[in-house]
Amino acid sequence: DQQVKQNSPSLSVQEGRISILNCDYTNSMFDYFLWYKKYPAEGPTFLISISSIKDKNEDGRFTVFLNKSAKHLSLHIVPSQPGDSAVYFCAASRSGNTPLVFGKGTRLSVIA
Amino acid sequence: DAGVIQSPRHEVTEMGQEVTLRCKPISGHDYLFWYRQTMMRGLELLIYFNNNVPIDDSGMPEDRFSAKMPNASFSTLKIQPSEPRDSAVYFCASSPVALGYEQYFGPGTRLTVT
Repeated sequence: DQQVKQNSPSLSVQEGRISILNCDYTNSMFDYFLWYKKYPAEGPTFLISISSIKDKNEDGRFTVFLNKSAKHLSLHIVPSQPGDSAVYFCAASRSGNTPLVFGKGTRLSVIA
Repeated sequence: DAGVIQSPRHEVTEMGQEVTLRCKPISGHDYLFWYRQTMMRGLELLIYFNNNVPIDDSGMPEDRFSAKMPNASFSTLKIQPSEPRDSAVYFCASSPVALGYEQYFGPGTRLTVT
């Protein structure tokens, strides 16, 4: 029973275009969401987070949108760069008091 | 500052052997987590510690798996005996703040059991 789902295993985008990575969750108690980025042979690194009191959080080229009614969040990368090619994990928790639950990840390839 | 340190980075062993993975968390972090990553199951939490005390080990797959944290700067994950299905990448992570917020991951140990 996956509580956090990333239904697209892979995504390919041209350099300079927008990358949109999607994540759905089933547990309505989740109220804190994070995105991690992972390069080969390295551990995941924190990218950006959002609390359920917001519907958008922006950090440079990265923006996370949260739609609570749809239990859906997305990560937008604009403009996409070849260095963004990595696996992106979505994660969620309840008020920071429960362990993070991760999705299976989406592999992003940015083509020059 | 050094990040989370894991050793070894790669481990190849034969079925039935004991395997010990090691982790040094970031100094001052109160939480330590062990994860396993596989293609089928993604990134799954095995066990976590708070102030060196194991809090939740419900993710540990079987009794063959055990984890310890004898002090704030060291933790081990042991598999005895190992089986081919244990082949995966094992990550250690630590967190300074709370359970469900930002965690800092080590580079992982790639385990292959033949």
